[in-house]
Parts: sequence; structure tokens; C-alpha cells
Amino acid sequence: QKEVEQDPGPLSVPEGAIVSLNCTYSNSAFQYFMWYRQYSRKGPELLMYTYSSGNKEDGRFTAQVDKSSKYISLFIRDSQPSDSATYLCAMSNDGQNFVFGPGTRLSVLP
Amino acid sequence: EAGVAQSPRYKIIEKRQSVAFWCNPISGHATLYWYQQILGQGPKLLIQFQNNGVVDDSQLPKDRFSAERLKGVDSTLKIQPAKLEDSAVYLCASSLAFGDEQFFGPGTRLTVL
Repeated sequence: QKEVEQDPGPLSVPEGAIVSLNCTYSNSAFQYFMWYRQYSRKGPELLMYTYSSGNKEDGRFTAQVDKSSKYISLFIRDSQPSDSATYLCAMSNDGQNFVFGPGTRLSVLP
Repeated sequence: EAGVAQSPRYKIIEKRQSVAFWCNPISGHATLYWYQQILGQGPKLLIQFQNNGVVDDSQLPKDRFSAERLKGVDSTLKIQPAKLEDSAVYLCASSLAFGDEQFFGPGTRLTVL
């Protein structure tokens, strides 16, 4: 079992849809969780950073962490074509050394 | 604020050749990271510097990969000799301090034939 798993997609949704992206993990010591967005031919950029369990909201983006289920989610409301990218989750037990998931490719169709 | 700069953007070499990548982090960032991202996978940390000292190189294949960060600013990552499985995007990232948000460069896409 890989340490961090994501559905690779591609996930195609119409513009305006609510998108749900998910990661599962096996290491119960993880307590720092990040979501990155990576456009084609670019480096990843940080979207959300959460610690332990709970929800965090920033504009159209909401991150959820359920440590009991070892499951994290990123929700995108009112999705836009500019949200089309690969979304990577990353997690760490010490806030310093992060393990990345393989990414989910999202396509938002106008 | 200028971002993380990397060069070259693309490199094609034959196996057993050597190659070097260059990274210029954001000004003032003490911590610098090199990642390897194979197609369809997430980035994997190769080496981490704090100023010009190595913090973690546990996942660096030291028989063929080497990295240095002279004067605590620019860094180079070298592969010698390259293997087919080294084909990947090599990402450089920097952060203000250890554990802070990492800012990534655009990467160098390496193809080994």
C-alpha cells in the first residue's frame, strides 16, 4: 500500500460545478496536510495548509481532514476553467518533511 | 518579488552522460529543496539545504547524484552517469526558513534516451 493515494483522474466537470478531490493515507502520524495546484509545465503552488483534523475555508476552496479515517478532501465551489490543473495532496508528521500524493488531474469545461 | 529560477527548462541526454541543473532561490530564503517528479507521480524530495549545509539527503541516490549550495544561495544538482529511469522533472523549491511554505520553480524536464 502506498503511503499517500489519490485517484489520478482525469476528472472532468462543467463550469460552476462543485469539485471534490480526495486523498487517503496510511501513516497515522501525519498531522500536517497541504493541497497544491500544479498547472502544466509549472511547479506546484500551495493552496491550503491545515493542521490536524477539521475544516479550513479560503474563498472557493475548503479543505477537510478526517484523521480517524485517514482521509482528506479539497472542495472547489463554482469551479472555473482556470481551475483546470493537477491537484496534489501532501502530508507530514513534523511539518517539515512532506510526502506527496500522485495528483488528480482536473478539467473544468466551459 | 521574483520567484525561484531554474535552468535549463529542458534537457535531452543519452544514458551514461552527465547533466547539471541550476537553481536560484527567492532572495533571502535560507532553505532550498530539490525534488524529482516522475510522470504521473508526486514530487519526491531528493535533498534539502539549510543555508549551505545539507539537512536531509536520505533519498538522494548518492552513487550518481550530487548537489551543492555554495555560499548559501544558488544550488546545482548533478547526475553522473544518467540512467533511463532518471527521466523526470527536477523541481527546486525554497522557503524562508525550515518548515515554512515552499515556493517552487518551473522545473527542468530531463529526458534520458
